[in-house]
Amino acid sequence: GQSLEQPSEVTAVEGAIVQINCTYQTSGFYGLSWYQQHDGGAPTFLSYNALDGLEETGRFSSFLSRSDSYGYLLLQELQMKDSASYFCAAPNNAGNMLTFGGGTRLMVKP
Amino acid sequence: DGGITQSPKYLFRKEGQNVTLSCEQNLNHDAMYWYRQDPGQGLRLIYYSQIVNDFQKGDIAEGYSVSREKKESFPLTVTSAQKNPTAFYLCASSIVFPANYGYTFGSGTRLTVV
Repeated sequence: GQSLEQPSEVTAVEGAIVQINCTYQTSGFYGLSWYQQHDGGAPTFLSYNALDGLEETGRFSSFLSRSDSYGYLLLQELQMKDSASYFCAAPNNAGNMLTFGGGTRLMVKP
Repeated sequence: DGGITQSPKYLFRKEGQNVTLSCEQNLNHDAMYWYRQDPGQGLRLIYYSQIVNDFQKGDIAEGYSVSREKKESFPLTVTSAQKNPTAFYLCASSIVFPANYGYTFGSGTRLTVV
């Protein structure tokens, strides 16, 4: 089976940088993706890492190390609107379905 | 605009009653999925379908049923056998392979047992 572990909660102040970690166990691997979900809303796709290294999309970056079975989402210049839950996800062995981590609730304070 | 529509947004179920949640997509995606989310929790897979007239059980399929008669539609029925159905239900779609190229989610249905 697959499992992805994330911290349950992270708190940071506006303007700061925060890193949300994700460690995974999977027998096959097609990469790691990240989703954002505001309270009561739908998850939205943020980023995808197929290979090792850093992918940058504006204020958000995502990193993957396949040798360490580890990835993280980096949020810079935090804004109040970034307060949300963030999920890492990885496909199953066949690559056709995602398993999600338990989610990290980010609270941004003034 | 392409997307996924879930209805209703809020649904109340009486004890012993079956209810059906609607999910329609116009993204021409082959794969569709149903997830359940409990407060403060992650997403757990109920059922998925990769092609019309075929679907597979996920991790928590007991007490639920689905159909996939059209590519665009993947309704979920919460039966009376589901003893704790109060949750937030999310429908998603994607190209079949690889799934990492992004799921598109609907806005969800919040089901409450009364």
